[in-house]
Amino acid sequence: DAGVIQSPRHEVTEMGQEVTLRCKPISGHDYLFWYRQTMMRGLELLIYFNNNVPIDDSGMPEDRFSAKMPNASFSTLKIQPSEPRDSAVYFCASSLTVNQPQHFGDGTRLSIL
Amino acid sequence: EDKVVQSPLSLVVHEGDTVTLNCSYEVTNFRSLLWYKQEKKAPTFLFMLTSSGIEKKSGRLSSILDKKELFSILNITATQTGDSAIYLCAVSPGGTSYGKLTFGQGTILTVHP
Repeated sequence: DAGVIQSPRHEVTEMGQEVTLRCKPISGHDYLFWYRQTMMRGLELLIYFNNNVPIDDSGMPEDRFSAKMPNASFSTLKIQPSEPRDSAVYFCASSLTVNQPQHFGDGTRLSIL
Repeated sequence: EDKVVQSPLSLVVHEGDTVTLNCSYEVTNFRSLLWYKQEKKAPTFLFMLTSSGIEKKSGRLSSILDKKELFSILNITATQTGDSAIYLCAVSPGGTSYGKLTFGQGTILTVHP
């Protein structure tokens, strides 16, 4: 079975540009999570969805960040405008139910110059 | 605020050694504790623990939870170079925050041949 698929794998862009990260969860999983990982702060939950509906976005750092899940097989995390401090690895994860372990994608390494 | 502290932060051993990784936590309305292994990319799931005193085992890896003292340990026996990775501990609260994993900073394990 295919795991969680994220794209792009790497993104380098200049500050002020819009960045869109994409995620395809494991088929049949009802929960989707977006995380950010940095050396300073470790792995932090940004937002999660249940059946395409955002449940908790309290980890989203500020209004420049937004996430959508238009259907069960696709989600985006958008940063507009991007800043150098947004540089990090962004992971998407999904789980069958909220009781089950989360399975992570390979991440998008984002560098904002 | 939920909190997870892992120790040691890094560990260097030789093949064949046995290691014990520690995870202590503070969480409102504890639901479960999870261990993940992170090599170059995605964190991969190892164990989920919900009950005290019941050891979970997979090959050379095992883990146990103590809900009274609020900690868990991950043991790796007869370590191999392929065990070199970051080991992450996370806790999941119950109630309306279920699914919101809080991760520790990780233990970096290096196994030398």
